[in-house]
Amino acid sequence: AQKVTQAQTEISVVEKEDVTLDCVYETRDTTYYLFWYKQPPSGELVFLIRRNSFDEQNEISGRYSWNFQKSTSSFNFTITASQVVDSAVYFCALISNSNSGYALNFGKGTSLLVTP
Amino acid sequence: EPEVTQTPSHQVTQMGQEVILRCVPISNHLYFYWYRQILGQKVEFLVSFYNNEISEKSEIFDDQFSVERPDGSNFTLKIRSTKLEDSAMYFCASSELDADTQYFGPGTRLTVL
Repeated sequence: AQKVTQAQTEISVVEKEDVTLDCVYETRDTTYYLFWYKQPPSGELVFLIRRNSFDEQNEISGRYSWNFQKSTSSFNFTITASQVVDSAVYFCALISNSNSGYALNFGKGTSLLVTP
Repeated sequence: EPEVTQTPSHQVTQMGQEVILRCVPISNHLYFYWYRQILGQKVEFLVSFYNNEISEKSEIFDDQFSVERPDGSNFTLKIRSTKLEDSAMYFCASSELDADTQYFGPGTRLTVL
């Protein structure tokens, strides 16, 4: 069975603070793919990053960074020096090899509010 | 930059009516998906479609739902005899390959009265 857990339902930070969004996943497959999507107040789903299970290298993109640790089945997302425009719901999602049709299995999302 | 488009952006219908939600996936993509998101909840998978047939469907995707690729560009979701609980945002997505990144359209907000 697959499962994605985002334990933080809501996070509120003040602008310029760093914030980490947690994601823990469960799968029995050795091949799987992890994703983060952003859903701003306008409602669309914006792709942020894709990682496959064989690539544990952490990634940095501007103020965004991702920490993938297979040992703890976690794929955490950090925003450095947060800005008001970062306010959104962030979803972690999983595709695993046994999942025919390659459906994205989403977590419940973390709502991030960045205040000035 | 290519993007997935969806029409209409908002659909209001009466309970029991049929609705068709339309999507135009990214042109070179081969895999198509529908997801739904009830207000305030997580995004849930409905169905995936490849090579003109359904490759997987969730428990939500019962006989009330159907999908079709009527021509080379459109991908539709039909909901027959809509119920109040079908009110949700419906997202179409497409990917170039299996397990590849899925790019989402802006969604259709369906309101069933």
